[in-house]
Amino acid sequence: DVKVTQSSRYLVKRTGEKVFLECVQDMDHENMFWYRQDPGLGLRLIYFSYDVKMKEKGDIPEGYSVSREKKERFSLILESASTNQTSMYLCASSSLAGGGETQYFGPGTRLLVL
Amino acid sequence: DQQVKQNSPSLSVQEGRISILNCDYTNSMFDYFLWYKKYPAEGPTFLISISSIKDKNEDGRFTVFLNKSAKHLSLHIVPSQPGDSAVYFCAASAGFNKFYFGSGTKLNVKP
Repeated sequence: DVKVTQSSRYLVKRTGEKVFLECVQDMDHENMFWYRQDPGLGLRLIYFSYDVKMKEKGDIPEGYSVSREKKERFSLILESASTNQTSMYLCASSSLAGGGETQYFGPGTRLLVL
Repeated sequence: DQQVKQNSPSLSVQEGRISILNCDYTNSMFDYFLWYKKYPAEGPTFLISISSIKDKNEDGRFTVFLNKSAKHLSLHIVPSQPGDSAVYFCAASAGFNKFYFGSGTKLNVKP
């Protein structure tokens, strides 16, 4: 079974702090994604990566950056956390070999920015 | 503006009856559609998908219907079970790297 893990289930940070959210997948997937989930808005894509050191902006990249130094790890960075970044953050991965159509999600990190 | 919309935030059905979850999209370039199921405190899990070359795909109790002319897809669950109670997201893609998700429908199946 595909396993996608996220470093924290819950995080509380203060405004202005730098925040790192880590995601690791164990199935050698090429594609990795970061979403945020907000009530009434569903899942919105922040960034995605289809190879090591490659990244593409999603629909809401402002205030975020990402890093993919190794194939299995995709990090989301909030350079200076703000209260409007309080949200549920979901990481996902998918395989190019399988057509990439099925994304496997981690359990999510609920971030509260005070 | 959201390209994938789920206009019903919640749905309640009796156990054993049919659940119908609806999803509308605006982008005619979407060629692949998926449904995900999400339990509280867990990430979404893939449920069923359909390509734009089909109008129906069935997997056990779950059937997805696609009406391209209406830009509408629906998920039918028959018979509904209490364990189906979850939030259901539809998603669409015009290329396998990027998906657009709806806002979700919370299904409650009453025993």
